[in-house]
Amino acid sequence: DAGITQSPRHKVTETGTPVTLRCHQTENHRYMYWYRQDPGHGLRLIHYSYGVKDTDKGEVSDGYSVSRSKTEDFLLTLESATSSQTSVYFCAISESRESNQPQHFGDGTRLSIL
Amino acid sequence: ELKVEQNPLFLSMQEGKNYTIYCNYSTTSDRLYWYRQDPGKSLESLFVLLSNGAVKQEGRLMASLDTKARLSTLHITAAVHDLSATYFCAVDPYGGATNKLIFGTGTLLAVQP
Repeated sequence: DAGITQSPRHKVTETGTPVTLRCHQTENHRYMYWYRQDPGHGLRLIHYSYGVKDTDKGEVSDGYSVSRSKTEDFLLTLESATSSQTSVYFCAISESRESNQPQHFGDGTRLSIL
Repeated sequence: ELKVEQNPLFLSMQEGKNYTIYCNYSTTSDRLYWYRQDPGKSLESLFVLLSNGAVKQEGRLMASLDTKARLSTLHITAAVHDLSATYFCAVDPYGGATNKLIFGTGTLLAVQP
């Protein structure tokens, strides 16, 4: 299994509070991604990173920010959590497109915002 | 708008039967991925299809890609209960090196004894 660790695995918090999810990899892959998974939507890309300090928005980035200060860590922050951000969050990693390898996923973080 | 559509969304089938899941996408892409997800678990890569006409097989699953029709199929042969899971297809329509994906909504497969 790809060395991807997400923390925490479960979190319950209240509307308006800040939340940070962490993704840690041991594969030294350049690319890292944050997705959210909701019923009826599959997985949707929130943000991604193509290197240390290099990040960009995905299709559902509003209300989220990310940071990547080291190759191995990619943080997702909800500055002021809302109930619509209740979801399962997955981190993924990959080598470059030219490697022809798939993205590998972490085990997910189940986030509930009350 | 970029869309990846799977059908059916839910498939209940008997053990021993054959069936096909379809994945249509709305933009050009020269590669397509299939993933499996068990309830409450992560996504597991099944196939990477890299060119028009690509066909890959693993056990009772076979995937194919037709880039001209913007269609991929996942064929299940002689289904067994262990294949029960949600199956996702995903495409990379952006090119470049970043490997960003757009996922379909998934097909929930339930194989009944």
